[in-house]
Amino acid sequence: SNSVKQTGQITVSEGASVTMNCTYTSTGYPTLFWYVEYPSKPLQLLQRETMENSKNFGGGNIKDKNSPIVKYSVQVSDSAVYYCLLGICPGNTPLVFGKGTRLSVIA
Amino acid sequence: GAVVSQHPSRVICKSGTSVKIECRSLDFQATTMFWYRQFPKQSLMLMATSNEGSKATYEQGVEKDKFLINHASLTLSTLTVTSAHPEDSSFYICSARAATHQETQYFGPGTRLLVL
Repeated sequence: SNSVKQTGQITVSEGASVTMNCTYTSTGYPTLFWYVEYPSKPLQLLQRETMENSKNFGGGNIKDKNSPIVKYSVQVSDSAVYYCLLGICPGNTPLVFGKGTRLSVIA
Repeated sequence: GAVVSQHPSRVICKSGTSVKIECRSLDFQATTMFWYRQFPKQSLMLMATSNEGSKATYEQGVEKDKFLINHASLTLSTLTVTSAHPEDSSFYICSARAATHQETQYFGPGTRLLVL
């Protein structure tokens, strides 16, 4: 089956670095996306990892079923919901969404 | 980058009326478009997959007669909420998959529907 798991909520202080994890299972060839959702704004693509361009983001690796995203020196304005999405190729399949990680940055 | 638009961005309607939401890929051809729905404080839920020139594939639990989807061209898909009720109030988002880069989906800005 295809699935994505994310940490539900993270609260950090301004200036901290934060790693948001995304682990997945996939029956096909995976691509992992990270999107951020700010209130009342469209989803924005932050990061895309494939088997070819795997960069060990945050110590994780798509080949190890883990594709985290790291944000350094976060600000209050980084508070948002961050979604990890699994894309599967080939085939006409939709993205599989994680439930999102709500990042709260406090001053 | 690729741009997907949705119209309208916000709509308020009376219970019992029908509402049409358009999703357009502005600078690429989208053989596949997806329609998602988001309830407050919840993740996006896939409603249906729309393929150009064929019938949409609906997810389990989504009423195809209530949520009519038409994908008449490679740049336009429409979602019509028929006989809307207050429980249909939600945020509807479409995404489009380009014919040439099928692993990437581009999201529209979403449509906020409020049914009174």
